[in-house]
Amino acid sequence: GENVEQHPSTLSVQEGDSAVIKCTYSDSASNYFPWYKQELGKRPQLIIDIRSNVGEKKDQRIAVTLNKTAKHFSLHITETQPEDSAVYFCAASPGTYKYIFGTGTRLKVLA
Amino acid sequence: NAGVMQNPRHLVRRRGQEARLRCSPMKGHSHVYWYRQLPEEGLKFMVYLQKENIIDESGMPKERFSAEFPKEGPSILRIQQVVRGDSAAYFCASSPRSVGGDYNSPLHFGNGTRLTVT
Repeated sequence: GENVEQHPSTLSVQEGDSAVIKCTYSDSASNYFPWYKQELGKRPQLIIDIRSNVGEKKDQRIAVTLNKTAKHFSLHITETQPEDSAVYFCAASPGTYKYIFGTGTRLKVLA
Repeated sequence: NAGVMQNPRHLVRRRGQEARLRCSPMKGHSHVYWYRQLPEEGLKFMVYLQKENIIDESGMPKERFSAEFPKEGPSILRIQQVVRGDSAAYFCASSPRSVGGDYNSPLHFGNGTRLTVT
């Protein structure tokens, strides 16, 4: 069945450094890729998304890149801050109601 | 515009009791999803509903679990005869009404219900 692999499972970076989280999807029909941030004990919140007709999207310190040929997409966070510490989930959707989530990456930003 | 509202936030049940989890989607949203999350794990799809219809319940155990989204009122996830393994966070998400078959709308999550079975 459809699958989304997410790496790494944990990531520690020094404050001010960049963080990169990578996801690979199996369903070639996927055309929508959102990223969610979940702080401890809270709900997942959409932070950025990208559609398959775009290769890159940026929003301040956050960017997402998509390589449709290789079927992978990545989240880039620059100038990390302690408040970026959270679990990040990627997801892929084939344009139906289905959203396949990755297993999550726990990001720790060390002050 | 109020977000997705879930209640209760915390629910404690003894083994064998019933748990009822409620979800009111965002205003204007007619698609509701339920996800289950165990500690330190990802979001596992359980069921997808539209008003008065269950579209996909493939992620929900056939026994003891049921879901509904009536014409009026919130969506309900019901777990009968709870067991310790049902302890988890249950998240509801909603998305806008589909127009022209375009499902590519982001999911908006509620704050979840943390179920503890003692």
